[in-house]
Amino acid sequence: RKEVEQDPGPFNVPEGATVAFNCTYSNSASQSFFWYRQDCRKEPKLLMSVYSSGNEDGRFTAQLNRASQYISLLIRDSKLSDSATYLCVVNDATSGSARQLTFGSGTQLTVLP
Amino acid sequence: DAGVTQSPTHLIKTRGQHVTLRCSPISGHKSVSWYQQVLGQGPQFIFQYYEKEERGRGNFPDRFSARQFPNYSSELNVNALLLGDSALYLCASSPDRPGGYTFGSGTRLTVV
Repeated sequence: RKEVEQDPGPFNVPEGATVAFNCTYSNSASQSFFWYRQDCRKEPKLLMSVYSSGNEDGRFTAQLNRASQYISLLIRDSKLSDSATYLCVVNDATSGSARQLTFGSGTQLTVLP
Repeated sequence: DAGVTQSPTHLIKTRGQHVTLRCSPISGHKSVSWYQQVLGQGPQFIFQYYEKEERGRGNFPDRFSARQFPNYSSELNVNALLLGDSALYLCASSPDRPGGYTFGSGTRLTVV
């Protein structure tokens, strides 16, 4: 079983649609959670952190359910510029101050005109 | 402010050769991590360095090694290159406090 599993893609949606991505993680001791966005042949960039209380940044809403070990990302009113791969990321403390990011395989989103 | 810088941006090597990749973190960031991303997958953790000491190692063979210098820059070395080492190698820096990492634009390594 993969440590971080994401919805298989690709997602092709029309402009203005609402799209939801889901992710589960296996390590119940994981400490922090993120969504990263990666454009084609570019580096991953932090989209938003994810908190149990839920957090919103404009059209983007992220949610964490620790009991179910489940993370979600909702994109409302999708734009052409939202087309990218979305990576679910878990930050695990390994030992001492060491931390490693564990990435899902990513879900590709294409927003169509 | 300069972000995370990596060099070279692209590299082509032959099987059996070795390669050195370089990374300069964001000014003030003491932690540097290396990740390997093969096509169609998410990045995989290779190493983390903090204050010049290795703090974490992923599931990679001993052909992979790294070090961090007093100015917090870092090198990733890969010996006896295999075709399967072809990937995007990403360096990420982070401040002392927990939080999101900032990635460099990566080095795209092709082994032929």
